[in-house]
Amino acid sequence: DQQVKQNSPSLSVQEGRISILNCDYTNSMFDYFLWYKKYPAEGPTFLISISSIKDKNEDGRFTVFLNKSAKHLSLHIVPSQPGDSAVYFCAAYSGAGSYQLTFGKGTKLSVIP
Amino acid sequence: DAGVIQSPRHEVTEMGQEVTLRCKPISGHDYLFWYRQTMMRGLELLIYFNNNVPIDDSGMPEDRFSAKMPNASFSTLKIQPSEPRDSAVYFCASSRIRMNTQYFGPGTRLTVL
Repeated sequence: DQQVKQNSPSLSVQEGRISILNCDYTNSMFDYFLWYKKYPAEGPTFLISISSIKDKNEDGRFTVFLNKSAKHLSLHIVPSQPGDSAVYFCAAYSGAGSYQLTFGKGTKLSVIP
Repeated sequence: DAGVIQSPRHEVTEMGQEVTLRCKPISGHDYLFWYRQTMMRGLELLIYFNNNVPIDDSGMPEDRFSAKMPNASFSTLKIQPSEPRDSAVYFCASSRIRMNTQYFGPGTRLTVL
């Protein structure tokens, strides 16, 4: 059973517009969430994170929103740039002693110039 | 810092052969993780170490897989004998104690013929 789900395998967005990537989770014990970005032939790189005590975290063009009641988080990229084209992974873990990240399957974002 | 280093980057072998993947974590990181990425299952945690000690190997698919961390700067993942279904990209990641931002290596693409 997938505990972290990214239901959109791919997303295409025009340059300059907003990209919204979605992630749902089922494990109510998760209290820390991360987004990773992955380019081809490279490992995933950390992008932004959010703790369950917050509902929003912003870092430049990237903002992550967390809706705990809906067990849903989203990553907003504004404005989108061609260099943002990559696969984005949502990940989560429980701070109760475990250091195991559970990843979604990823969403491939294509930003069209 | 050079980041997490993995070798080889690509490995092609025949079914039944032994395969050894290598990883050098970031200096000072106390946690080391081995992941496998496939199209079907996404990124899966195989095993992780804390201070060179295996903590959880429940993700290791079967006895053909083994991992060691003889010292703080080196880890291996061995598959013996290898099978075509082991074909995947294997990532190593490391993180500091009590911080769950994991830094990934570039991965090893394994093809078992």
